[in-house]
Amino acid sequence: KNQVEQSPQSLIILEGKNCTLQCNYTVSPFSNLRWYKQDTGRGPVSLTIMTFSENTKSNGRYTATLDADTKQSSLHITASQLSDSASYICVVSLLDSNYQLIWGAGTKLIIKP
Amino acid sequence: EPEVTQTPSHQVTQMGQEVILRCVPISNHLYFYWYRQILGQKVEFLVSFYNNEISEKSEIFDDQFSVERPDGSNFTLKIRSTKLEDSAMYFCASSEGKSATYEQYFGPGTRLTVT
Repeated sequence: KNQVEQSPQSLIILEGKNCTLQCNYTVSPFSNLRWYKQDTGRGPVSLTIMTFSENTKSNGRYTATLDADTKQSSLHITASQLSDSASYICVVSLLDSNYQLIWGAGTKLIIKP
Repeated sequence: EPEVTQTPSHQVTQMGQEVILRCVPISNHLYFYWYRQILGQKVEFLVSFYNNEISEKSEIFDDQFSVERPDGSNFTLKIRSTKLEDSAMYFCASSEGKSATYEQYFGPGTRLTVT
């Protein structure tokens, strides 16, 4: 069954600290992996998209990694800010589907001052 | 910056009533999607739409759901006879292309409450 699992479920860190969120997937055939940020009550906003051949991709203070062999990805947030408080969702797309995305449950990140 | 818009932001309806959720995708995008997210749960794919027809749909998208692009800008999701379990956030998204590397841009969502 195609699944995306994320850990931890929630995380609280102090402003200015770094953190790393994890994503494991059992999606096949794999097309690409995306990380989205979703503020409470808002639509998801894309942070990165990574294809099979990409190991690392950065977007400002966000750095995503992908290990296609172990089917794992991580999202590292550097020097966290209060505005980083949100849910971070790992999403994988299927190679044989041009449209459908398999969504993780997200990690709820809270940044405290 | 262009964005996907959705109306209304919150819709309250009684069980058994019909609702229409509206979306205006980004103007040069050709592919449109509806997703839903029940409170505290994962985002779920409902349907994708291209060239005035459904491209893919999930098991959730049964006969009570329909989508339409009535004019050149709007994209609507109709739920014919709402059930309590239809209460959720409904997100519209659009993309330029269907290839794996095309971004899907999401609207702010419509919160549907069925009473």
